[in-house]
Amino acid sequence: DQQVKQNSPSLSVQEGRISILNCDYTNSMFDYFLWYKKYPAEGPTFLISISSIKDKNEDGRFTVFLNKSAKHLSLHIVPSQPGDSAVYFCAASGLGNSGYALNFGKGTSLLVTP
Amino acid sequence: DAGVIQSPRHEVTEMGQEVTLRCKPISGHDYLFWYRQTMMRGLELLIYFNNNVPIDDSGMPEDRFSAKMPNASFSTLKIQPSEPRDSAVYFCASSRGRTSGNTIYFGEGSWLTVV
Repeated sequence: DQQVKQNSPSLSVQEGRISILNCDYTNSMFDYFLWYKKYPAEGPTFLISISSIKDKNEDGRFTVFLNKSAKHLSLHIVPSQPGDSAVYFCAASGLGNSGYALNFGKGTSLLVTP
Repeated sequence: DAGVIQSPRHEVTEMGQEVTLRCKPISGHDYLFWYRQTMMRGLELLIYFNNNVPIDDSGMPEDRFSAKMPNASFSTLKIQPSEPRDSAVYFCASSRGRTSGNTIYFGEGSWLTVV
């Protein structure tokens, strides 16, 4: 039972344009959400997070939006750069569901073309 | 500061053999996680520890898998006997738990191939 879902396995965007990666979750107990970035042959690295008390968090070119009523979050990358090409994982956690562990989506592979 | 350190980075073994994966978490982190990544299931949690005590092992696939954390700086994940379907990337991760916003930090992974 996948509680965090990333329905787009891949996304291709031109350099300079906006990349929008989407994520849906089913567990209403989740209260903390994170995005990780993964390059081939490396471990996932933390990118940005958001608490359920907020609906937006921004860090440079990266912004995460949270819509709790829809159980949906998205990651916006503006402007996209070729170095952003990687697999992006959405993750969520909440007390009452594996406690402090993170539940991950299956990832979206982003390709930013020059 | 050193990150999460995993060994071996790559392991090729024959079916039926015992496999031991090792992890050294980031110093000061009191949570340690073992995840497995496969194409079919993505990143799935196998087990996690808090202060060296296993908290949730519901993700461990079956009795062939076991994990230990004898002290705050070392953990092992053992598969005995190994099977081809165990082929995956195994990640160890650590965190300070919710005091750090629940951000967990991953090692580079151990790539396991069982033939």
